Amino acid sequence: DQQVKQNSPSLSVQEGRISILNCDYTNSMFDYFLWYKKYPAEGPTFLISISSIKDKNEDGRFTVFLNKSAKHLSLHIVPSQPGDSAVYFCAASGNNNDMRFGAGTRLTVKP
Amino acid sequence: DAGVIQSPRHEVTEMGQEVTLRCKPISGHNSLFWYRQTMMRGLELLIYFNNNVPIDDSGMPEDRFSAKMPNASFSTLKIQPSEPRDSAVYFCASSFYSNQPQHFGDGTRLSIL
Repeated sequence: DQQVKQNSPSLSVQEGRISILNCDYTNSMFDYFLWYKKYPAEGPTFLISISSIKDKNEDGRFTVFLNKSAKHLSLHIVPSQPGDSAVYFCAASGNNNDMRFGAGTRLTVKP
Repeated sequence: DAGVIQSPRHEVTEMGQEVTLRCKPISGHNSLFWYRQTMMRGLELLIYFNNNVPIDDSGMPEDRFSAKMPNASFSTLKIQPSEPRDSAVYFCASSFYSNQPQHFGDGTRLSIL
């Protein structure tokens, strides 16, 4: 069962514009959410996280928003750069501490 | 500072053979995870260890899969016998605690012919 869902397999944006990647989850026990970025032939690398006590966390060009009532989170990248082109995974964990990942969204930023 | 080290990077073998994937976590990390990535299912958690003890192996697909962590600096994932549907990229990751951001290795690309 997919407890974490990324319904858009791909997204293409123009350099300088905003990229918005979405993620939905079904398990209301999840209380910690993360985004990872993955380049080809490499493992995922941690990008940004948010705990359920917050609704926004910002780190430079990256902002994660959490809507607990909708069980939805999103990652905003602004401005987008060609180097941001990668696969982005959303992940969530709860008090049992095992982390569940979405299937990923491939972001392409066009120069 | 070495990250998570996985070996081999690539493995091609024939159906029915035993396959052993290896992982060295980051020194000092207490949690170790094994994942499988496929096009259809994305990143699936197979098993994770805390302080070398398996905590949750509910993601291990079948009895053909087994994982061990004999000490804090080494873990193996074994498939015996291997089947073509096991072909995927297998990732190992580690973290200080199981609910903290994980550091991933570069994966082992496994192809079973």
